[in-house]
Amino acid sequence: DTAVSQTPKYLVTQMGNDKSIKCEQNLGHDTMYWYKQDSKKFLKIMFSYNNKELIINETVPNRFSPKSPDKAHLNLHINSLELGDSAVYFCASSQGPANTGELFFGEGSRLTVL
Amino acid sequence: GENVEQHPSTLSVQEGDSAVIKCTYSDSASNYFPWYKQELGKRPQLIIDIRSNVGEKKDQRIAVTLNKTAKHFSLHITETQPEDSAVYFCAASRGAGGFKTIFGAGTRLFVKA
Repeated sequence: DTAVSQTPKYLVTQMGNDKSIKCEQNLGHDTMYWYKQDSKKFLKIMFSYNNKELIINETVPNRFSPKSPDKAHLNLHINSLELGDSAVYFCASSQGPANTGELFFGEGSRLTVL
Repeated sequence: GENVEQHPSTLSVQEGDSAVIKCTYSDSASNYFPWYKQELGKRPQLIIDIRSNVGEKKDQRIAVTLNKTAKHFSLHITETQPEDSAVYFCAASRGAGGFKTIFGAGTRLFVKA
């Protein structure tokens, strides 16, 4: 059973389009995250949610809108896509706050903006 | 703001040799320091972690050390094998209520057979 699953795995789209990535975890964790990994492999946190509530928004442009309908799901919608949005987006979850233990990552969603 | 620096960015070793990756952090409130391994095209996965009340931790061929005073922590891999080839990330997260893990820039380790 996949602990953290995200879909789709690949997205290829034109500049200006809107796209969504879905994430679900079956670990019973309270906290979920979105990370962006650029072409240089740098992993940068975008958002943290705890029990469906937004806790961290790391100066992400408001074209990015996360939504957590329940604590097992955290989706990411991106409006007006730009070339610089091309990256791998990882969803992750943890039992509680980030300092309490391991982050469990999804497989990643590779977004390519043409 | 919080920052984690990681060195070297690339490390090439011969099979059987040791590999050492070093990190420094800026946020003195950080108290949890995990290390993640990311193989090509895969997700990052935790390989070992250490908390600020511990100076050293070992798990088979992998060990981590932490110097809180200097805000340094290191990953040591002994008897490296080709399957150790991957990108390794150090990370730090802060004390109570902290909800973000800050990652270093990663070290690409090549183990030559």
